[in-house]
Amino acid sequence: QQQVKQSPQSLIVQKGGISIINCAYENTAFDYFPWYQQFPGKGPALLIAIRPDVSEKKEGRFTISFNKSAKQFSLHIMDSQPGDSATYFCAASYSTDKLIFGTGTRLQVFP
Amino acid sequence: DSGVTQTPKHLITATGQRVTLRCSPRSGDLSVYWYQQSLDQGLQFLIQYYNGEERAKGNILERFSAQQFPDLHSELNLSSLELGDSALYFCASSVGAGGVFFGPGTRLTVL
Repeated sequence: QQQVKQSPQSLIVQKGGISIINCAYENTAFDYFPWYQQFPGKGPALLIAIRPDVSEKKEGRFTISFNKSAKQFSLHIMDSQPGDSATYFCAASYSTDKLIFGTGTRLQVFP
Repeated sequence: DSGVTQTPKHLITATGQRVTLRCSPRSGDLSVYWYQQSLDQGLQFLIQYYNGEERAKGNILERFSAQQFPDLHSELNLSSLELGDSALYFCASSVGAGGVFFGPGTRLTVL
């Protein structure tokens, strides 16, 4: 019940394309769903987050889509750039509790 | 820069030894989390402290312990080190509903 399942494990996208990463959760008590971006040797950086009272949140080229009934959420990266090449983690938590992370998606954007 | 600082950046030690990792949270953040990241395990939650008190425990080994001091900095103590403890150890902090911010990590190598 505490798991967050993330797919795909890796993703290759052409520059300018859309990158889509999906996550699914089981615990309906989760009320906070962030996405993190991690570059090699660096700490995860908070990218964007959503709460279950909204279905979509957009910040620049990054959009979270949230489907409460399906218990799924996804990250869309529009106009993907080589600088977006990194590992992306979805996560979920209840209130201020610990974050439960997905297994990560390695994104490579080729020029 | 997340505002979370961790020292040291790198640590190389031998099996059986004990090490201490240090973390200073962002100014004003009362919660401190410790995570372990290894290649095959992803980001694993170890332990959370809130304003000096232990709040949640994850898959933390009995050889590991942590504490949060009155000035809110935290230390993670790892003892009787084994080869399998080699990993990146991240500290993160939060003020509550505003998001969890990670430090740059300590890379531990056990030889």
